[in-house]
Amino acid sequence: DAGVIQSPRHEVTEMGQEVTLRCKPISGHDYLFWYRQTMMRGLELLIYFNNNVPIDDSGMPEDRFSAKMPNASFSTLKIQPSEPRDSAVYFCASSSTGTWVYGYTFGSGTRLTVV
Amino acid sequence: SQQGEEDPQALSIQEGENATMNCSYKTSINNLQWYRQNSGRGLVHLILIRSNEREKHSGRLRVTLDTSKKSSSLLITASRAADTASYFCATGTNAGGTSYGKLTFGQGTILTVHP
Repeated sequence: DAGVIQSPRHEVTEMGQEVTLRCKPISGHDYLFWYRQTMMRGLELLIYFNNNVPIDDSGMPEDRFSAKMPNASFSTLKIQPSEPRDSAVYFCASSSTGTWVYGYTFGSGTRLTVV
Repeated sequence: SQQGEEDPQALSIQEGENATMNCSYKTSINNLQWYRQNSGRGLVHLILIRSNEREKHSGRLRVTLDTSKKSSSLLITASRAADTASYFCATGTNAGGTSYGKLTFGQGTILTVHP
């Protein structure tokens, strides 16, 4: 398996623009998580899905953020409109109910810079 | 807010020495996990310890858990320059009656191992 695949690796956008981050989880994993990492706030859970259904989105900072998982192999995190304070590294991770003892598998992240 | 608090924030040692990192948390947990993050990369799962376990080993890693003190420690023995990374503890709780839930990460310990 190629692991959790995120795209793009880097994204630079202007304030006010829409940004879409993409994630392909490991095949067979039924949990998918979106995290944001910054120096100030560390790793924050934004939202997670189980079997493509959003379970907890309490970490989504505001309505500008939305996430979808239309099928078991794809998820998106969208920011519209983007702001400079959204600059961070966004990680997607997946895991399985059956093998949760092995922890999460993280993608390499998307470094977002909003100017 | 972060559940886990790592201590120390930064640790600098020589190759061959042991490295000990500590993690404290606030609420009841189902399991505690440790992850490593190399610079510019995603997190990698190292080891998981359940709330009913007190100690676990994996290669050069030793993890202890004291639920009465709500604390855990990660010991890396005979450290190598390649162990240089940030180390995070993450706590998991039951969710919906399953043994799996979302993970809350601490701020991490930056370990530097000098050759």
